[in-house]
Amino acid sequence: GAVVSQHPSWVICKSGTSVKIECRSLDFQATTMFWYRQFPKQSLMLMATSNEGSKATYEQGVEKDKFLINHASLTLSTLTVTSAHPEDSSFYICSARVLTNQNTGELFFGEGSRLTVL
Amino acid sequence: AQSVTQLGSHVSVSEGALVLLRCNYSSSVPPYLFWYVQYPNQGLQLLLKYTSAATLVKGINGFEAEFKKSETSFHLTKPSAHMSDAAEYFCAVSFSGGYNKLIFGAGTRLAVHP
Repeated sequence: GAVVSQHPSWVICKSGTSVKIECRSLDFQATTMFWYRQFPKQSLMLMATSNEGSKATYEQGVEKDKFLINHASLTLSTLTVTSAHPEDSSFYICSARVLTNQNTGELFFGEGSRLTVL
Repeated sequence: AQSVTQLGSHVSVSEGALVLLRCNYSSSVPPYLFWYVQYPNQGLQLLLKYTSAATLVKGINGFEAEFKKSETSFHLTKPSAHMSDAAEYFCAVSFSGGYNKLIFGAGTRLAVHP
């Protein structure tokens, strides 16, 4: 099956620093990747849709200057949390759509990245 | 507006008992429906999906779900629970016609006790 890998799995940083999280599709190409945020014991909240070669589309209420998304290739999207603060601490999960399944909505998810901002 | 509702944030069953996790959706267009499982500190794993073919869908780990259009439901079942089934389960929906976003339900935490 399709594999999506995230790195790092865990990251702890000081308040005010920036953190980059990578999302890679290992055995398929993904023109579209999605970034989700999950608070403890809650569901996934879609943050943005990352499109290869173009600007990301952000959901309402998500600060695009705070959460920078870059999708420079068909296998890599990155999420950078800029000037992180404790309230940014969360579990961030990416997902990628297999290129041949554009209309079904089937996504393959990464393992998630837990960010803790001190 | 499209939405997904999972009834019951917590479900507890005995090992060997029937598992029933409920999911209802609201949609003005034919939906595609999914069930995902999430173990602690991990991403989501697809259990099964409905994409307008057979209404009874069989997935991994002995789970299955039935799409009932008249009830706008897609409940997840497993005849006999195993301890390893304890996890968080999410129902999700996406819509045909090029609308690609997945909308997730709030999730149901399944506990399995001996």
